[in-house]
Amino acid sequence: EVQLVESGGGLVQPGGSLRLSCAASGFSFSSFWMHWVRQAPGKGLVWVSRIDSDGSYTNYADSVKGRFTISRDNAKNTVYLQMNSLRDEDTAVYYCARDLKVTNWIDSWGQGTLVTVSS
Amino acid sequence: EIVLTQSPATLSLSPGERATLSCRASQSISGYLGWYQQKRGQAPRLLIYDASNRATGIPARFSGSGSGTDFTLTISILEPEDFAVYYCQQRSQWPLTFGQGTRLEIK
Repeated sequence: EVQLVESGGGLVQPGGSLRLSCAASGFSFSSFWMHWVRQAPGKGLVWVSRIDSDGSYTNYADSVKGRFTISRDNAKNTVYLQMNSLRDEDTAVYYCARDLKVTNWIDSWGQGTLVTVSS
Repeated sequence: EIVLTQSPATLSLSPGERATLSCRASQSISGYLGWYQQKRGQAPRLLIYDASNRATGIPARFSGSGSGTDFTLTISILEPEDFAVYYCQQRSQWPLTFGQGTRLEIK
């Protein structure tokens, strides 16, 4: 069974930093692209970032480019999202998600971790 | 970036009825559209990818159609568990984008 477990969320002040982690299990992690998707309270889904299977290629939403960095450690079956210069509008549940076989469709999701940016 | 506009914002129907949800893209995305279902308090679930392919384990009452800029998700006979929010997503161009969602509620 595919499992994705996010951690690292919490309350942070504007301008601060946070690193999210996502521990994967139940599949061959090193073979799959991974994504982060966020959802502000009561709002819709917003794609944040994607990393390919060996970490060579990454993509970002314009709203986070230059502030967020996605990375992965295939030895630890973990994907990360380093978030710097956080803003109020970054407040959201952040979902770690698995790509459907190199397609940019998302076929498995974690339960999410809440990030709250507030002073 | 490609903007996806979903309609209607809210759809009120009864179990047993047919649901038709629409997604329109701001430019042609060929057939690169997917649909997700999200129930309250849960993560989304992939229903349809590449416009018309059902994801693993998705019941046959869910179907997708369309190409270019206009796409449709149809639920042929609504079951009580189908009442949720539905999002479309495109993978034609970076950044990946989602529609704003259609809430399917019980009438």
